[in-house]
Amino acid sequence: GAVVSQHPSWVICKSGTSVKIECRSLDFQATTMFWYRQFPKQSLMLMATSNEGSKATYEQGVEKDKFLINHASLTLSTLTVTSAHPEDSSFYICSAKGSGRGSNTGELFFGEGSRLTVL
Amino acid sequence: AQSVTQPDIHITVSEGASLELRCNYSYGATPYLFWYVQSPGQGLQLLLKYFSGDTLVQGIKGFEAEFKRSQSSFNLRKPSVHWSDAAEYFCAVEDSSYKLIFGSGTRLLVRP
Repeated sequence: GAVVSQHPSWVICKSGTSVKIECRSLDFQATTMFWYRQFPKQSLMLMATSNEGSKATYEQGVEKDKFLINHASLTLSTLTVTSAHPEDSSFYICSAKGSGRGSNTGELFFGEGSRLTVL
Repeated sequence: AQSVTQPDIHITVSEGASLELRCNYSYGATPYLFWYVQSPGQGLQLLLKYFSGDTLVQGIKGFEAEFKRSQSSFNLRKPSVHWSDAAEYFCAVEDSSYKLIFGSGTRLLVRP
């Protein structure tokens, strides 16, 4: 099946610094990528939808200036957590989608996740 | 609004026993339904999906799920659970914007 890779898988940073997480589709072109956040023992909450070449669409309550998303190519989307604080510590997961809802090419493929710890 | 409910937070079964994880959805149109599994500290792996056609769908690792429109359910089943099946299971429905709406998850514990 299709592969989506996230990097880094673990990151620890100091409060006030910025952290960038990459999400790459390795063997298909991802027209749309989604970024999720997952707190311990909770479900995934969609943060934003990233379409290649256009601005990301953020879900209600997600600060767009805090979580910068860039989808510069059909195989790469990045999430930058700016001025990170301990409450931003979480598990961030991306998923990528080809084209065509409900078809095999439209299936969502998930990255392995990136665990952010802000000290 | 679309939603997914997984009423069981935890389920414990003995190895070799059968398993059923419940999922109910709320969606106005024909739902596209998914079951994902997540091992600790890992991303999500797709077990199976329902788009249309046969309401009983087969997935990987011996899992199956049955779509019942009358009950708005998409329960996941496995006839014989293995210790390696211990994980968190998420049911999800895709909305009209291609976004996945996840249930709260069910944690499966397997007794030796």
